Amino acid sequence: DSGVTQTPKHLITATGQRVTLRCSPRSGDLSVYWYQQSLDQGLQFLIQYYNGEERAKGNILERFSAQQFPDLHSELNLSSLELGDSALYFCASSETPTDTQYFGPGTRLTVL
Amino acid sequence: AQTVTQSQPEMSVQEAETVTLSCTYDTSESDYYLFWYKQPPSRQMILVIRQEAYKQQNATENRFSVNFQKAAKSFSLKISDSQLGDAAMYFCAYRLFTSGTYKYIFGTGTRLKVLA
Repeated sequence: DSGVTQTPKHLITATGQRVTLRCSPRSGDLSVYWYQQSLDQGLQFLIQYYNGEERAKGNILERFSAQQFPDLHSELNLSSLELGDSALYFCASSETPTDTQYFGPGTRLTVL
Repeated sequence: AQTVTQSQPEMSVQEAETVTLSCTYDTSESDYYLFWYKQPPSRQMILVIRQEAYKQQNATENRFSVNFQKAAKSFSLKISDSQLGDAAMYFCAYRLFTSGTYKYIFGTGTRLKVLA
């Protein structure tokens, strides 16, 4: 158990819908990262937050957005969902951007 | 552009034997970190080992060790005395500093099968 929690574990929804994925970092970690892992693929970096502020953006679609709240938990919002958005979404956290990141268990999103 | 290449989609090893997973990367940076992550069937991403580029000594964590060849931009993972629980996807990752922060780039993974 890495100490990073993600909810929900599984999410099934329909095309065109909007969902919110939630992540709570390890105690003391200020930095949160979001990744997308499509079937049998590597991890694609989406976005990073540090202490409430966006720090880096990767291959994140305009239909996706994220934020980090004052209590340091983070949410990833996915809208106008398409079949291709079906994937495992990981959150990771680290104390600072220079420290090793630890991953949560992931949220499996299925878009039908 | 920075890339991470894992050229072995799948590897097999006999229980108790040794296996080496390869990883190469492309970068113009001189100071960076490299990581190996394990992803078992549970899909959890677990940090196995990390290496700082400025350190010449290869990192070791119990049965896991790396062969870091900075000039060749190679970062292979050696698993000794393989166990059934080592069966998983293994991802090599590179961390670079860009635009005032750190970004991670992952390879496409190597699926390791451990044969009893």
